[in-house]
Amino acid sequence: EPEVTQTPSHQVTQMGQEVILRCVPISNHLYFYWYRQILGQKVEFLVSFYNNEISEKSEIFDDQFSVERPDGSNFTLKIRSTKLEDSAMYFCASSAGRNDEQFFGPGTRLTVL
Amino acid sequence: RKEVEQDPGPFNVPEGATVAFNCTYSNSASQSFFWYRQDCRKEPKLLMSVYSSGNEDGRFTAQLNRASQYISLLIRDSKLSDSATYLCAVTFAYNAGNMLTFGGGTRLMVKP
Repeated sequence: EPEVTQTPSHQVTQMGQEVILRCVPISNHLYFYWYRQILGQKVEFLVSFYNNEISEKSEIFDDQFSVERPDGSNFTLKIRSTKLEDSAMYFCASSAGRNDEQFFGPGTRLTVL
Repeated sequence: RKEVEQDPGPFNVPEGATVAFNCTYSNSASQSFFWYRQDCRKEPKLLMSVYSSGNEDGRFTAQLNRASQYISLLIRDSKLSDSATYLCAVTFAYNAGNMLTFGGGTRLMVKP
C-alpha cells in the first residue's frame, strides 16, 4: 500500500539554525500539506500546495517558513531561523484530489534547543 | 468559539463494549468530515470519511448530523487495540486549500 514517507524521523537543532524537513508524498497525489502538532496539543494546519504553488497557509506559516517541490517526488518544508516554540511534530500529508482524504506521513520530531 | 470540538475523555471501557464519540463543528460552511485515529506520538491515520448518509466499516459507524452540526463515531465490540486518540477533522468551504481543521481528540482506553 503506498504511503507518505518523511525524513528525518527526529531532528535536533540549535535556535536560529535553518532546518529542512523532507517528505515524499504518495506518487499519484497532486495536493500536499504540512501540519504540525506541539506535544499535548491538537494537529494544526500550516500550508497546502498544489500545482507548484501555495494554495493556502495559516497564521503560523510566517516568513520563516517556506515550501518547495524541488523535483517530481520530494516536498520540503524549510524553517529559516528556528525558535524554541517551533519544537513540534511536523506531519506531511497528501491527497489525490482537492476534497479527497489526506494521508499522513510518520512525522518528523523537531527539537529546538 | 472553537471551530471543531471534542470531549477529550478519557473514555474507559471494558473489552466488548460499545462506545460513541461526538464531534461538534461551529460553522455551517463545512464541506467534508473525517475520523482519524492517532496512537501516542504517531501520525493521524485515516479511519473513515463521514458521508451524509452515514457509513459503516466493520465495527465502526460514522454519522453526520448537519442540522445539529456534529459528527459521531460508534465503535462496537471494543478491542484492546482500539485504545487510541480519535480525531475528527473538518474542511470548510471558505478555505481555498482544503485544509483540515482538527478537534483536540477523544482518548479511548479499552481495558480487559
